[in-house]
This record gives sequence, structure tokens and C-alpha cells, in this order.
Amino acid sequence: AQSVTQLDSQVPVFEEAPVELRCNYSSSVSVYLFWYVQYPNQGLQLLLKYLSGSTLVKGINGFEAEFNKSQTSFHLRKPSVHISDTAEYFCAVREGAQKLVFGQGTRLTINP
Amino acid sequence: DAEITQSPRHKITETGRQVTLACHQTWNHNNMFWYRQDLGHGLRLIHYSYGVQDTNKGEVSDGYSVSRSNTEDLPLTLESAASSQTSVYFCASSWDSTTYEQYFGPGTRLTVT
Repeated sequence: AQSVTQLDSQVPVFEEAPVELRCNYSSSVSVYLFWYVQYPNQGLQLLLKYLSGSTLVKGINGFEAEFNKSQTSFHLRKPSVHISDTAEYFCAVREGAQKLVFGQGTRLTINP
Repeated sequence: DAEITQSPRHKITETGRQVTLACHQTWNHNNMFWYRQDLGHGLRLIHYSYGVQDTNKGEVSDGYSVSRSNTEDLPLTLESAASSQTSVYFCASSWDSTTYEQYFGPGTRLTVT
């Protein structure tokens, strides 16, 4: 079975600083990877996904992630964060035909 | 606009009662999923369905059941609610095997007292 580990449960950063949220997955062939964001009191929405092709994936709201097969990682980055980026972020990997396995989540807090 | 809705948004119930959480999507998606979200555990899959009359157990299915009688709805039933089932429940749907993107509902916060 697939598994996902998000290495930080909480990440506090100052506004306009860069941020990296770390995600490692269990090794497998045909890895499909996702980052979702959950704003307070809302459901999850897709930030970006890696299915194949370029290992650098760009998503919404200025986020990007890099797929690194040798390190089994899919870290999420943003060069300059805003207060509005305060949310919980989930890394996920496809398992089986259509299922997703989620990590434990990383709470990103932006301080002014 | 197509959407996915959940009802109720908040529910308080007593231990031992049967509870049903509704999930309705208007995208005509084949695949539907139920997750629970708990602090420190992220989202864990309870049940899922790949089409009408198809249901499958997920990682944490004990004490829960689902049925899929049409494409739009996948209700989640707690047969006899327990305090350990206090959680936030999310329904999601997806269309096909090329994008794998799941669309999530707003969630139902369930408290079992």
C-alpha cells in the first residue's frame, strides 16, 4: 500500500518569505502525486498534480512542486507567501484505480 | 454550476443512534468517496464507489456503511454512533482515470455525545 509522509505538522513563516512544505511518498511505479489546500472551514481544493512529464509542476496561487524520483519526494514551494496562504496543505498519492492516500497535513501559518 | 454538497453541515447525536450523512454531486461523476478528517491523521478513506451499485471498504470502514442507488448520491450511514466517530466528514467525487482529481464537498462536522 502507498503511504505519504508530510515531514512538518506546522510551518510558521513571515509574510513575503519563501516557504517549502515537505512530502515524501513510498516508492512505486507510475506515481501520481497531488497537493491539496484546505482553507479554514472549507473542503479541499487541488493546488497542483504530477502525472508525468516535467518534474517541475506549477499550480494555482503561485505554488509549484518538484517531483524527485530518487528521493521519493514531492515538495511544495512558493517564493513569497501572503496572509491569504494561511491554510492546511495535504500531499496525496494515487493508489489503485482511483483512490488517493493523503498525508497528515501541514498547517501553514503566515505572520505579518 | 455543477457542485458537490453535503448535509447537514453540523450534527450532534447521541451514542448508539443511527446517523446518515448525505452527499450529492451534479457533475455526473462515476467515482465517489467518503473520508474522515482527524487531527494528526489527515484524511482517511472510509468507503468509496466506482459506480451505481458498486461500493468498497476503505481504510477505516468499521461502523460505517454506504449504498449507491444512483450516480448523484452516496449517503454515509453510521449504524450505531460511537464517540470515536466524532470527526469532520468529507465527500469527494471524480470522473475518470486520466486526471485523478477529486472534488471535495464542504464537509460535515459530526459530534457524538
